[in-house]
Amino acid sequence: GAGVSQSPSNKVTEKGKDVELRCDPISGHTALYWYRQRLGQGLEFLIYFQGNSAPDKSGLPSDRFSAERTGESVSTLTIQRTQQEDSAVYLCASSLGTPGTGELFFGEGSRLTVL
Amino acid sequence: DQQVKQNSPSLSVQEGRISILNCDYTNSMFDYFLWYKKYPAEGPTFLISISSIKDKNEDGRFTVFLNKSAKHLSLHIVPSQPGDSAVYFCAASGNNDMRFGAGTRLTVKP
Repeated sequence: GAGVSQSPSNKVTEKGKDVELRCDPISGHTALYWYRQRLGQGLEFLIYFQGNSAPDKSGLPSDRFSAERTGESVSTLTIQRTQQEDSAVYLCASSLGTPGTGELFFGEGSRLTVL
Repeated sequence: DQQVKQNSPSLSVQEGRISILNCDYTNSMFDYFLWYKKYPAEGPTFLISISSIKDKNEDGRFTVFLNKSAKHLSLHIVPSQPGDSAVYFCAASGNNDMRFGAGTRLTVKP
């Protein structure tokens, strides 16, 4: 597709369940980012993938969060044993090359609600 | 550890007037700065950027100013229009890192 695609667009789950969020970046974009935005908060960096390099996981809030990326394509963000404070919009973005060489292109986000 | 700060959560201006959104950063490794605009239920979209070798970049009604010594940048919108009402995020990048501020909600009143 022409843009960054995220699925599901909305997810409601019960506390303690695991969830997977998917991101399809723009074809050819080597960099992929996950951010989250909790209600009333700004964009919180989670994880960054650049090509085949080891990902920058410094933003992941706990070991319940993990993400994978297959080559330079799809990424999956997994949250295990979800908690109510995980409720947020999870945004994926991709870019050509490394930061500083151009802007990020964002998907529309996956809204996660943990009951 | 907030490396990029937008201290004003909201701003309201009258249509036709200037909107000034501010952003401060702490990491001197940042060398590229961007503003994004976000409407409800949409992902942020790129608006304007500036490299650290410049102090001003202009694109139509939007101008970004960078003061490296103060680690401060600002976005000026003039004249402001009701369609500019959105949340504006400041971002800073460098050293393979991009960080965002918390955003400022701009409301332009007709």
